[in-house]
Amino acid sequence: EAQVTQNPRYLITVTGKKLTVTCSQNMNHEYMSWYRQDPGLGLRQIYYSMNVEVTDKGDVPEGYKVSRKEKRNFPLILESPSPNQTSLYFCASRGGQGSNEQFFGPGTRLTVL
Amino acid sequence: GNSVTQMEGPVTLSEEAFLTINCTYTATGYPSLFWYVQYPGEGLQLLLKATKADDKGSNKGFEATYRKETTSFHLEKGSVQVSDSAVYFCALSGGGGSNYKLTFGKGTLLTVNP
Repeated sequence: EAQVTQNPRYLITVTGKKLTVTCSQNMNHEYMSWYRQDPGLGLRQIYYSMNVEVTDKGDVPEGYKVSRKEKRNFPLILESPSPNQTSLYFCASRGGQGSNEQFFGPGTRLTVL
Repeated sequence: GNSVTQMEGPVTLSEEAFLTINCTYTATGYPSLFWYVQYPGEGLQLLLKATKADDKGSNKGFEATYRKETTSFHLEKGSVQVSDSAVYFCALSGGGGSNYKLTFGKGTLLTVNP
């Protein structure tokens, strides 16, 4: 089954404790991205990657890092989480120019105390 | 830059009522337009899309028509069901921005009562 998976689905942590949210897709997609969803703000892009070792900032990259060492994986790293990063996070992927549909993961609800 | 404005909810309807959720956009050129749906506790799923002016996207009884003259992509359904209760997002890509990045509206929560 074609899918995007994220782990963990739920996480409660404390300020300053480094964490990583994993994202993996099995569709051989080149493009992957991370969004955060906040009430009243919709979804905003954090980072994206056009291919292995190619990443770039989205609209709200502050406080986040990403890496793309393999095509299928695109982890989101919070080196020193803060309470304003409490949010619902979604990973997404899409194929090349022939298809403009993005596939979303189930989401990770993060709470930073 | 690109932007999407959609009707803010929440919207509460009775089963079998007619649904309209308004969506307008700002973009240069010709963006692709999408409606995504988020059921409770789940990720986003593509509901329908349109890639050029006057295209009509449709799926599961929902429809939306790409209107370039009014820069709109309103979502409609003739008879909603309880199972349609979800958050609906209008989004675009391209149109002067990246063909890969999605720009979303803020979302509209729909609740359908039996």
